[in-house]
Amino acid sequence: NAGVTQTPKFQVLKTGQSMTLQCAQDMNHNSMYWYRQDPGMGLRLIYYSASEGTTDKGEVPNGYNVSRLNKREFSLRLESAAPSQTSVYFCASTNRGSNQPQHFGDGTRLSIL
Amino acid sequence: GENVEQHPSTLSVQEGDSAVIKCTYSDSASNYFPWYKQELGKRPQLIIDIRSNVGEKKDQRIAVTLNKTAKHFSLHITETQPEDSAVYFCAANTKTSYDKVIFGPGTSLSVIP
Repeated sequence: NAGVTQTPKFQVLKTGQSMTLQCAQDMNHNSMYWYRQDPGMGLRLIYYSASEGTTDKGEVPNGYNVSRLNKREFSLRLESAAPSQTSVYFCASTNRGSNQPQHFGDGTRLSIL
Repeated sequence: GENVEQHPSTLSVQEGDSAVIKCTYSDSASNYFPWYKQELGKRPQLIIDIRSNVGEKKDQRIAVTLNKTAKHFSLHITETQPEDSAVYFCAANTKTSYDKVIFGPGTSLSVIP
């Protein structure tokens, strides 16, 4: 039981490049989330998916797109990376409607040059 | 919009002393309040949570109190140890979706041996 798995763990991009961050969970959770973490700003929600087939914007969605591929997988895409998107990205999952804690992946450390 | 404030942003205590972190939230409909601990370079992990039907919850050296009238909740760590050094985040769920939480900006706790 791996929990929440994120790939890659580290990535360096040039401005304008695109890439997809992958996230998969094996806990049969309905809801999945993408956060970015910047120094002194806590965790800010980029997008979330309450259930398979649905996605919604969070606090900071600009410059990102997401896909809920199936119940297990939720990917985050940067179409044209900008230096302001340099951050640590965390994926998380939880059961819907049960007020259960979020389970986080190990994060992806992304640098945009 | 929904907001969670957290104080202090940094906290240093001597080993064996107590540490208190305080949070306030804005959404009167919030009913789930988790606390996460994040060690350097690691994922956030739940350490304790409380729901609005109780005013206090304790787990060994950690306790959380909730005052729904004042819309604030606090984390108390007693007999602090060096391994308690980490960043602590409070969070509160929102009325738009009980799967979504808003995180505070974090408190960096240092326990001095």
